Amino acid sequence: GAVVSQHPSRVICKSGTSVKIECRSLDFQATTMFWYRQFPKQSLMLMATSNEGSKATYEQGVEKDKFLINHASLTLSTLTVTSAHPEDSSFYICSSWKAGELYGYTFGSGTRLTVV
Amino acid sequence: GENVEQHPSTLSVQEGDSAVIKCTYSDSASNYFPWYKQELGKRPQLIIDIRSNVGEKKDQRIAVTLNKTAKHFSLHITETQPEDSAVYFCAASWSNNNDMRFGAGTRLTVKP
Repeated sequence: GAVVSQHPSRVICKSGTSVKIECRSLDFQATTMFWYRQFPKQSLMLMATSNEGSKATYEQGVEKDKFLINHASLTLSTLTVTSAHPEDSSFYICSSWKAGELYGYTFGSGTRLTVV
Repeated sequence: GENVEQHPSTLSVQEGDSAVIKCTYSDSASNYFPWYKQELGKRPQLIIDIRSNVGEKKDQRIAVTLNKTAKHFSLHITETQPEDSAVYFCAASWSNNNDMRFGAGTRLTVKP
């Protein structure tokens, strides 16, 4: 089946610094990548949708200047959390869909971000 | 946009009993309804899904029913086992390449 590789799995950073999270589709071309955020004991909330070669579409309430998304190729999408603050600490997870895949969306393994 | 509601938020059952989780959606254009199981700190794992052209789907101890008219769908787990304990999320989407909207999740605990 389709595989999305996400790195890093865990990251701890200081307040004010930036963190980049990468999601790579290993065996398919990910035209679209969805980025979700999940706070402890809560559901997955869609942050933005990135499309290869174009600007990402952000959900209401998500700051596009703070959460920079780049989808420069069909196999790589990145999310950069800029000027991170403790309230940005969360589980970030990407998801994509392989054309023709029977079982739908494939999730990355997630990134646990802790801002101290 | 799509809004998915999920109930209950927590569910505790005895091993061997059945568990039912219900979700409603708002967008009648939604046509794909997956269910995910998520263990702590891990990615959601698809356990079963249903499309709008069928009303029921079963896979061993897991079944999903869909009522398009009422816009609700349910997950049924029979003969529950302790390893079924996890958080379960329903989701809805209206196209293969569109985003999914998740329900709030149900924390299922199966007591031995």
